Amino acid sequence: TQLLEQSPQFLSIQEGENLTVYCNSSSVFSSLQWYRQEPGEGPVLLVTVVTGGEVKKLKRLTFQFGDARKDSSLHITAAQPGDTGLYLCAGAGGFNKFYFGSGTKLNVKP
Amino acid sequence: DAGITQSPRYKITETGRQVTLMCHQTWSHSYMFWYRQDLGHGLRLIYYSAAADITDKGEVSDGYVVSRSKTENFPLTLESATRSQTSVYFCASRGSLSYGYTFGSGTRLTVV
Repeated sequence: TQLLEQSPQFLSIQEGENLTVYCNSSSVFSSLQWYRQEPGEGPVLLVTVVTGGEVKKLKRLTFQFGDARKDSSLHITAAQPGDTGLYLCAGAGGFNKFYFGSGTKLNVKP
Repeated sequence: DAGITQSPRYKITETGRQVTLMCHQTWSHSYMFWYRQDLGHGLRLIYYSAAADITDKGEVSDGYVVSRSKTENFPLTLESATRSQTSVYFCASRGSLSYGYTFGSGTRLTVV
């Protein structure tokens, strides 16, 4: 059972386009994190959101935590080839454990 | 250079053999985790540890054992490897409830 559903699974866009990736659950999470993973490497933390409705910006990336703390979105403005990778969301479960979604694989073509 | 180191990076083993994957971190983080990553399943938790000598099962722990005699090391052992355990294994650590995981670079294990 996948607690967190990410959509879309795959996304291929041209450089300069905007995109949004979604992370949805029927469960409430105390916090949610987004990671980016490049081939052959481990995931790297991008952001943690804690408060319902919270919005955080990291350069061209905007992260939002849903009001009910069940969902989140990642919006990338003017995507660049360096944004290519697997984007994973992870929700905080009990006792310091995080449950990961299956990821969105983004390819940004020059 | 400080960080979290996994070894080996690649491993091929035969069905039925015991194999141990190593994980070492230099931050003295209390919490350490083992995940496996498979296509279509994302990252699934195998075992975690809150401190030395404190470990607990995750969602896919069958066939695996862990130990944590020292804070910095968290080895994962496959007692009798099966083909279904072919996967990429990631070790992670976390020092505080305020921060996310720091992951190692992974071990790609193939069981033939």
